[in-house]
Amino acid sequence: AQSVAQPEDQVNVAEGNPLTVKCTYSVSGNPYLFWYVQYPNRGLQFLLKYITGDNLVKGSYGFEAEFNKSQTSFHLKKPSALVSDSALYFCAVRDNGSGNTGKLIFGQGTTLQVKP
Amino acid sequence: DTAVSQTPKYLVTQMGNDKSIKCEQNLGHDTMYWYKQDSKKFLKIMFSYNNKELIINETVPNRFSPKSPDKAHLNLHINSLELGDSAVYFCASSQYVGYADTQYFGPGTRLTVL
Repeated sequence: AQSVAQPEDQVNVAEGNPLTVKCTYSVSGNPYLFWYVQYPNRGLQFLLKYITGDNLVKGSYGFEAEFNKSQTSFHLKKPSALVSDSALYFCAVRDNGSGNTGKLIFGQGTTLQVKP
Repeated sequence: DTAVSQTPKYLVTQMGNDKSIKCEQNLGHDTMYWYKQDSKKFLKIMFSYNNKELIINETVPNRFSPKSPDKAHLNLHINSLELGDSAVYFCASSQYVGYADTQYFGPGTRLTVL
C-alpha cells in the first residue's frame, strides 16, 4: 500500500537556525512527492514537488527538499528559519495504485515552531 | 483574485440537517477535489471530478454527494448531518489529472455539527 510518514509531530527550532522536517514514503513505481504548508485557519499552500531529475528541489519561501531514493525520504529543509515559518507542514505522495486520478496521500503533518 | 474559493467559511448546524458547501476555481483547471481534515489535522481525499466526471470516490458515506455543474464548480451536499461530520472541508483543483500535477487548495469550510 502507498503511504507517507512524518515521524515528528512537532519540530522546534530557533530563528536563524537551519530546519528539517522529515518525510518518508512507500509507493510502487516512481514517486511523485509534494510539500504543502498550512498556516492557522488557512488552506494548504503548495511549497514544492519532486517529479524527476535533480534530487534537490527548490521551492517557495526559501524552502528546499532533498529526494533520497535509497532511504525513501523527501525531507524539507531551510537554511535559516524565520518565526513566520511556524505552521503545519504536510508531505504527500501521489497514489500510484489508483490509476491516473491524481489522488494524493498525505502524511499526518508536522508542526514547525520557530522561536525568536 | 482568489484562485479557489469556498462558501461558506464557517457552517454551524444541528444534527440531522442537510447542508451544502460550494467551491469555485478561476484557474481554468480541469480537475477538482474534496478533502476532509479531521480534528487531528489528518487530511483525506473524498471525491474528485475531472471535466465533470467523477473519478475518485473514496469510502465516504452516501450521505455525501458531490455535484459538478461545470469544470469551474464542485459542490458538496451532505444529508442527515452527524456529529462525526464535524471537520474542515477543503476544495482543491489541478490543471489536469496528471501524475505530478499540483493541486491548489481553497481556504476551507469549517463545519460544526451540534
